Amino acid sequence: AQSVAQPEDQVNVAEGNPLTVKCTYSVSGNPYLFWYVQYPNRGLQFLLKYITGDNLVKGSYGFEAEFNKSQTSFHLKKPSALVSDSALYFCAVRVGGQNFVFGPGTRLSVLP
Amino acid sequence: SAVISQKPSRDICQRGTSLTIQCQVDSQVTMMFWYRQQPGQSLTLIATANQGSEATYESGFVIDKFPISRPNLTFSTLTVSNMSPEDSSIYLCSVELKKGGDTEAFFGQGTRLTVV
Repeated sequence: AQSVAQPEDQVNVAEGNPLTVKCTYSVSGNPYLFWYVQYPNRGLQFLLKYITGDNLVKGSYGFEAEFNKSQTSFHLKKPSALVSDSALYFCAVRVGGQNFVFGPGTRLSVLP
Repeated sequence: SAVISQKPSRDICQRGTSLTIQCQVDSQVTMMFWYRQQPGQSLTLIATANQGSEATYESGFVIDKFPISRPNLTFSTLTVSNMSPEDSSIYLCSVELKKGGDTEAFFGQGTRLTVV
């Protein structure tokens, strides 16, 4: 069975500092990995995905994520955080044509 | 991409009543998905709705509690029946479109349901 872990419920970072939101996964097969962001009173918005190829994936709003197969991780990163990045972030995985499995979410707070 | 509209955006309902949530997509899609996001938790898939056939429910979810309609390729409804406070959640409609070698999921803004 597929599963996704986001070990931190909450991440706090000062504006302008780099941020990392962690994600690890467990799957049978080759994973497709995704990051979504949820702003208050909004649905989920797609940030980026890894399907194949370069392990470093660049996405929306300056975010990027690195696929690490040996560590089964797909951490989300941004070099310089903005207050407007404060939101709930979900990592998700799917294998083949199966359904998405979402992690528990990490709340990011960027402090001015 | 896909634009998904959900109605209502929020509601407060009495226990024992039912609420029907509507989901409208701006393009034709084969499958539509309904998720539940309980307070402080992640998304859990309730069911997959295909046009012209009965919805497929995930473990722990049954048709009597969450009946789904899918009358055409752009619209679906989810009903939360005989509600109790434990049904208080955000309910999200989603579709998947092929993009960049895989499918990408798009979500409505959600329906925040509070049962009192």
